[in-house]
Amino acid sequence: AQKITQTQPGMFVQEKEAVTLDCTYDTSDPSYGLFWYKQPSSGEMIFLIYQGSYDQQNATEGRYSLNFQKARKSANLVISASQLGDSAMYFCAMRGGYSTLTFGKGTMLLVSP
Amino acid sequence: GAVVSQHPSRVICKSGTSVKIECRSLDFQATTMFWYRQFPKQSLMLMATSNEGSKATYEQGVEKDKFLINHASLTLSTLTVTSAHPEDSSFYICSAPPAGGRNEQFFGPGTRLTVL
Repeated sequence: AQKITQTQPGMFVQEKEAVTLDCTYDTSDPSYGLFWYKQPSSGEMIFLIYQGSYDQQNATEGRYSLNFQKARKSANLVISASQLGDSAMYFCAMRGGYSTLTFGKGTMLLVSP
Repeated sequence: GAVVSQHPSRVICKSGTSVKIECRSLDFQATTMFWYRQFPKQSLMLMATSNEGSKATYEQGVEKDKFLINHASLTLSTLTVTSAHPEDSSFYICSAPPAGGRNEQFFGPGTRLTVL
């Protein structure tokens, strides 16, 4: 069984600062993918970044980077230079062998001016 | 890029009625689609896997007769909430696995169902 743990129910950050959202996972699959999604109040799930279990380098997408530590089974999301529009719920998710996603409970990020 | 659409975006219905939600892949074919449900301030929970041309696979605890899934074509899956009750009020969101060697898994914009 796959499990995703996000231990931070809420995080606060000031505009232009960097913030790290934590995610740990557990799986017995040797091959898996890790995702981060942003969900604003509108409800849509916005794909941010993907990390494959065999990827040697940490994934980066603009201001988003994924700090992948395989031995620790962690996949933290780092948002650099936070913007007010970054305020949203953030979900870490894992994809196993059947393309279904298992989600963490999410972290609510609030960016203040 | 790949886009998944959902219709309607919001629906309010009376208790006892049935509601159909459509999920379409707009620029790619999806032999499989996934239906998730999200209660307020909670995470997404997988309800079922919709398979084109065959029966859907339901997660444990999800009533097959209540949540009817039909995947009639390679671009359309429908979820019908039958005899809806207030406890079925939720945010329903579909997803399609990546296509063309891409890793992104795209979601539809979701349908907010309110049962009075």
